[in-house]
Amino acid sequence: GNSVTQMEGPVTLSEEAFLTINCTYTATGYPSLFWYVQYPGEGLQLLLKATKADDKGSNKGFEATYRKETTSFHLEKGSVQVSDSAVYFCALSDRETSGSRLTFGEGTQLTVNP
Amino acid sequence: DGGITQSPKYLFRKEGQNVTLSCEQNLNHDAMYWYRQDPGQGLRLIYYSQIVNDFQKGDIAEGYSVSREKKESFPLTVTSAQKNPTAFYLCASSPLPGGWDEQFFGPGTRLTVL
Repeated sequence: GNSVTQMEGPVTLSEEAFLTINCTYTATGYPSLFWYVQYPGEGLQLLLKATKADDKGSNKGFEATYRKETTSFHLEKGSVQVSDSAVYFCALSDRETSGSRLTFGEGTQLTVNP
Repeated sequence: DGGITQSPKYLFRKEGQNVTLSCEQNLNHDAMYWYRQDPGQGLRLIYYSQIVNDFQKGDIAEGYSVSREKKESFPLTVTSAQKNPTAFYLCASSPLPGGWDEQFFGPGTRLTVL
């Protein structure tokens, strides 16, 4: 079946540091890949997505590239801010094998200190 | 404003009682979903519906029930058969029944069993 593995957290950084959150996936079809962000006490918001190999999703300074050869979709940001503190979820959607479903990673808690 | 609303935000229940969580969307989306989130874990799919009057079990449907009588509404009932119902519940919707486009999330309901 499909699965998503994220790097273990929590991650603590100082403001303006470089961020990488690793995400790898297993899928039998050709999935779409997503990063969602969850701020404390709220629902999830879509951060970025990529629907085919070599696509780069980007939003609010965050980027992730769909790497089929390494089955990865790592999230990066060059300079984090305190307001980026949240939980980040990597997810995939594989229409061929799982239809109308998203498979989520366990989430990575990011804390950015001033 | 278009979006997904969940009510109430906080809900307390005594053991042995059934409780219904509301989810409404005015995005005109066909598909709707219910997820459960526990601390330190990713989201787990409870039920989903791709069209009115039809729904499918997700990975952890036992102890839960749903209905989809209207396109904009997808209420979730947590029954007394659910052994450990204390959790954060998230409702989502997507525009395509295939679900491989992104899902949009509501703000969540935190259920506590006393």
